[in-house]
Amino acid sequence: ETGVTQTPRHLVMGMTNKKSLKCEQHLGHNAMYWYKQSAKKPLELMFVYSLEERVENNSVPSRFSPECPNSSHLFLHLHTLQPEDSALYLCASSQVQGGTGTEAFFGQGTRLTVV
Amino acid sequence: AQTVTQSQPEMSVQEAETVTLSCTYDTSESDYYLFWYKQPPSRQMILVIRQEAYKQQNATENRFSVNFQKAAKSFSLKISDSQLGDAAMYFCAYRSARMNRDDKIIFGKGTRLHILP
Repeated sequence: ETGVTQTPRHLVMGMTNKKSLKCEQHLGHNAMYWYKQSAKKPLELMFVYSLEERVENNSVPSRFSPECPNSSHLFLHLHTLQPEDSALYLCASSQVQGGTGTEAFFGQGTRLTVV
Repeated sequence: AQTVTQSQPEMSVQEAETVTLSCTYDTSESDYYLFWYKQPPSRQMILVIRQEAYKQQNATENRFSVNFQKAAKSFSLKISDSQLGDAAMYFCAYRSARMNRDDKIIFGKGTRLHILP
């Protein structure tokens, strides 16, 4: 049983759709992350919320929009995606305190297919 | 910028044998964490083992152990008595111990491990 839960597990959406991915962590962590995992590519960090501060990755297209209403929940809002955005989207959380972080705990991911 | 390199895209090992997965990294920092994660076909990324750079002693977790060579910036994973359930993609990862604004864990490209019955 993971302390990080992602929904939905699978999502198929058209290029004109708007959808959201949800992540919830039950570990009391204060940092949450979105990663993109594509075939034959390394894990790409998309967004970080650390101590309630958002850190943007400037290489992420604006069609991806994160939202972190509190330290336990993280969303990734999707709109007008492209087929190349099809990938596994992984949410993770960790505890960051006093300048020393720890390992990240991952959810099971959302397999996104853009048609 | 820090980088993590896994030079073995795929490896195979006979069940019950020992296998070593390689990882090298590059950083100018002196204090950091290193991790090995396992991602089985179920896609769940699971932490296998963690090493603090300030510790000289190599971390061990049951059948999993690391060979941490700080000067050489090498962090290999040894799996002893390989089991069928060990089949997965293994990722080496780095994290700075210094909290900064773009805090992130950096992953290698992964090594797919096959266990041969």
